Amino acid sequence: GAGVSQTPSNKVTEKGKYVELRCDPISGHTALYWYRQSLGQGPEFLIYFQGTGAADDSGLPNDRFFAVRPEGSVSTLKIQRTERGDSAMYLCASSASVNTEAFFGQGTRLTVV
Amino acid sequence: EDQVTQSPEALRLQEGESSSLNCSYTVSGLRGLFWYRQDPGKGPEFLFTLYSAGEEKEKERLKATLTKKESFLHITAPKPEDSATYLCAVPNQAGTALIFGKGTTLSVSS
Repeated sequence: GAGVSQTPSNKVTEKGKYVELRCDPISGHTALYWYRQSLGQGPEFLIYFQGTGAADDSGLPNDRFFAVRPEGSVSTLKIQRTERGDSAMYLCASSASVNTEAFFGQGTRLTVV
Repeated sequence: EDQVTQSPEALRLQEGESSSLNCSYTVSGLRGLFWYRQDPGKGPEFLFTLYSAGEEKEKERLKATLTKKESFLHITAPKPEDSATYLCAVPNQAGTALIFGKGTTLSVSS
């Protein structure tokens, strides 16, 4: 498809487990972003990739969160030892370059029980 | 600290009743202001980018305007399908991410 694709759309996991969330950006977009959104809040920045490298990871809340983009296209957000507070909508976005409009995927709803 | 504040938090309109949503921001050296629409359980959908004070952009019943301190999203003769949460955002100082407001949830009843 032409848009940003995120899988899975929903993920339920037990506290303490490891999860991976995948993002397939718009073809040709070099900038890729991960955001987290809680109910009633705006999206909050987690990490920004320019190509293969994480140009800004200042939004990652702690070292249980990690993201990769090994070939400059698909990205995976990895969360270790999940906690109930990690429950949220995880959004991925891509843009042709930084500071241009970013296009979002439909998100992955993560629920930690 | 860069901040984005949206008001009101919620707005209920009758079909055809025009109104405006506000987005005020504090950021040094604005590099664009972005408006998004978000439906429940979905990702934000891009609407507009404004780059300089005085700029206006329109799409169907929506018009976005920008001043040096705030932006307005004007909704003319809204329809029920315009019901959604409207988010505005500005780039952070480093230009590496968008800072979002909490959004305005618009409900339009027929």
